[in-house]
Amino acid sequence: DAGVIQSPRHEVTEMGQEVTLRCKPISGHDYLFWYRQTMMRGLELLIYFNNNVPIDDSGMPEDRFSAKMPNASFSTLKIQPSEPRDSAVYFCASRRRDRPNTGELFFGEGSRLTVL
Amino acid sequence: AQKITQTQPGMFVQEKEAVTLDCTYDTSDPSYGLFWYKQPSSGEMIFLIYQGSYDQQNATEGRYSLNFQKARKSANLVISASQLGDSAMYFCAASGGYQKVTFGIGTKLQVIP
Repeated sequence: DAGVIQSPRHEVTEMGQEVTLRCKPISGHDYLFWYRQTMMRGLELLIYFNNNVPIDDSGMPEDRFSAKMPNASFSTLKIQPSEPRDSAVYFCASRRRDRPNTGELFFGEGSRLTVL
Repeated sequence: AQKITQTQPGMFVQEKEAVTLDCTYDTSDPSYGLFWYKQPSSGEMIFLIYQGSYDQQNATEGRYSLNFQKARKSANLVISASQLGDSAMYFCAASGGYQKVTFGIGTKLQVIP
């Protein structure tokens, strides 16, 4: 079974440009999470979805960030306009609800974003 | 809301020795799960071990064990017989109400030959 697939793996862009990160969760997983990892703040939860519906977006830094999940097999995280402080590794992870609060998160390989 | 605290930014351990990585959590959810992940320098997130809040016994997975003390709200990771390949960042995480998963800031472990 294929794992969580993220693209692009690396993105270098200039300040002010739009950035779109993509994620394909594992088939059959009904939870999808977007995390941002930086040295200073560790792994921050940005937003997560259940059955394609956003459940909690309180971690989204500001209006420049948006996320969508149009169907069970695809999600996007968009930053517009991008700023240098957005430089980080963005992880997507998915999870299947076997029992309440159990089941490991399966992570993608991450998208390393550099905003110049 | 959940909060995970990892107070050890960095740890050293001699090869073949055991090491304990500390984690405390704060949650108001009656049912929750606790996880540990490993992140080597290559960047991938590797699941190590899981403990449910109602599990009576501490979880074990090979050389990894989770020392769960519910009253103290601690979920320390114990790695026995450390190997050079254990050098990595280690993250503690909790899953609570509505399946939200929150991570601590991590501990960097270095295994010395």
